[in-house]
Amino acid sequence: GAVVSQHPSRVICKSGTSVKIECRSLDFQATTMFWYRQFPKQSLMLMATSNEGSKATYEQGVEKDKFLINHASLTLSTLTVTSAHPEDSSFYICSARVPTGNTEAFFGQGTRLTVV
Amino acid sequence: QKEVEQDPGPLSVPEGAIVSLNCTYSNSAFQYFMWYRQYSRKGPELLMYTYSSGNKEDGRFTAQVDKSSKYISLFIRDSQPSDSATYLCAMGDNFNKFYFGSGTKLNVKP
Repeated sequence: GAVVSQHPSRVICKSGTSVKIECRSLDFQATTMFWYRQFPKQSLMLMATSNEGSKATYEQGVEKDKFLINHASLTLSTLTVTSAHPEDSSFYICSARVPTGNTEAFFGQGTRLTVV
Repeated sequence: QKEVEQDPGPLSVPEGAIVSLNCTYSNSAFQYFMWYRQYSRKGPELLMYTYSSGNKEDGRFTAQVDKSSKYISLFIRDSQPSDSATYLCAMGDNFNKFYFGSGTKLNVKP
């Protein structure tokens, strides 16, 4: 299957600082990438859909000014958690799908964010 | 009502057992169905993908979709300790948004 790489896998930051998470499609071009958040023992919740060359589409209840998404190229999308607070601590996962036809999504390894 | 319901488990079985994992859903428009395996602190790994109704087999894994009952299943034959993980179902009516179950934690005992 296609490979999606996410970096970093784990980050600890101080409250009030910003953290950037990268999501790369390594062997295909992804016009659309997805960002999810997963709390312990809970399902993945879609935060936003990242579209190359245009603004991201955010799900209801997700603050777009707090979770900045930039899809700079066909292989890279970034999620920046701005002014992080302890309640932002979570597991963030990106996914992408090969754009040709209807295909399944492939996930990155996830980023464990801890805000202290 | 959640879009997708999945029993969180945990489900504990002996090695070699047949495992049955299930999800129910409420949206009759869903036609893309996936099963993912997620190890602790890792991203989900795609196991099976099914379009519309029917069965699909891949090695020890079989996915079934019953759209009339809004019910999907994943069967694991000859389960191994390495199958111990959380299994997530996911589905949608298009590829722009998937809905995930909460995951079932499976433990296969040697």
